Amino acid sequence: ETAVFQTPNYHVTQVGNEVSFNCKQTLGHDTMYWYKQDSKKLLKIMFSYNNKQLIVNETVPRRFSPQSSDKAHLNLRIKSVEPEDSAVYLCASSRDWDNYAEQFFGPGTRLTVL
Amino acid sequence: AQSVTQPDARVTVSEGASLQLRCKYSYSGTPYLFWYVQYPRQGLQLLLKYYSGDPVVQGVNGFEAEFIKSNSSFHLRKASVHWSDSAVYFCAVSGSSSGQKLVFGQGTILKVYL
Repeated sequence: ETAVFQTPNYHVTQVGNEVSFNCKQTLGHDTMYWYKQDSKKLLKIMFSYNNKQLIVNETVPRRFSPQSSDKAHLNLRIKSVEPEDSAVYLCASSRDWDNYAEQFFGPGTRLTVL
Repeated sequence: AQSVTQPDARVTVSEGASLQLRCKYSYSGTPYLFWYVQYPRQGLQLLLKYYSGDPVVQGVNGFEAEFIKSNSSFHLRKASVHWSDSAVYFCAVSGSSSGQKLVFGQGTILKVYL
C-alpha cells in the first residue's frame, strides 16, 4: 500500500525551464529525503529534512532547491533544467533520523529534459 | 565515509534455482546494512536489515542475508526463486555515528526465467 505519494509521475520539459515535484507521506514520519536515480539505476541522496529542517544537503547544483511546508511534505524545485537532470527523482521518508530507520520510497518522478 | 560495491550488474537464473547476490561494504565503524528491492516503475522496498546479533537475518518473501565482518560482506540469498522476484536489488550501508547517510550500491538486475 502506497504511503509516499509523488506527483507528477512523468514530466517532459525543455532546457532552461523550471519544474517542481511534489512529495507527501502519510506515515507520520519526521524525516524525508530526495534521491536522484540515473539511467544506470545509481541512487544518490540529494537532500534530507527532519521536522522541516534541512539536515543533509549533498553537493548538488544550486538550481536544485527543496521546499518543506510541514513534515509530511517535501517538494523539489529545479530552476533552469539541464540535460543531465534527466533522471528519476525518488522521495522517501523514515520514522526519524535514526541511521537504522527503514526508509519508505515513493514511486518516483521521471524527468526528461529535451 | 562508507561505500558499497555490488560486483554483479546482472544475474540470470531459472525459476526454482537458488540465488546469491553479492554485496561488499566499506566502513571503519559498526555498519548498518540493508537490502532493498525495486520492481519496475516502483520505489524501493526494504527486504531486510542488520545491525547486530545473529549474523543471518531473515527478510520478506524467503530472502535472507548473512553479515560476515571478516569479509566485509552482506550477501543476499534465497533458496528457490520465483519469476516474480525479477527486479533490481540494492545493498545499502549506513554508519552508526550520528547523522550518517544511507549509501547505496550500484544495484543488481535479477532476471528469473521460466
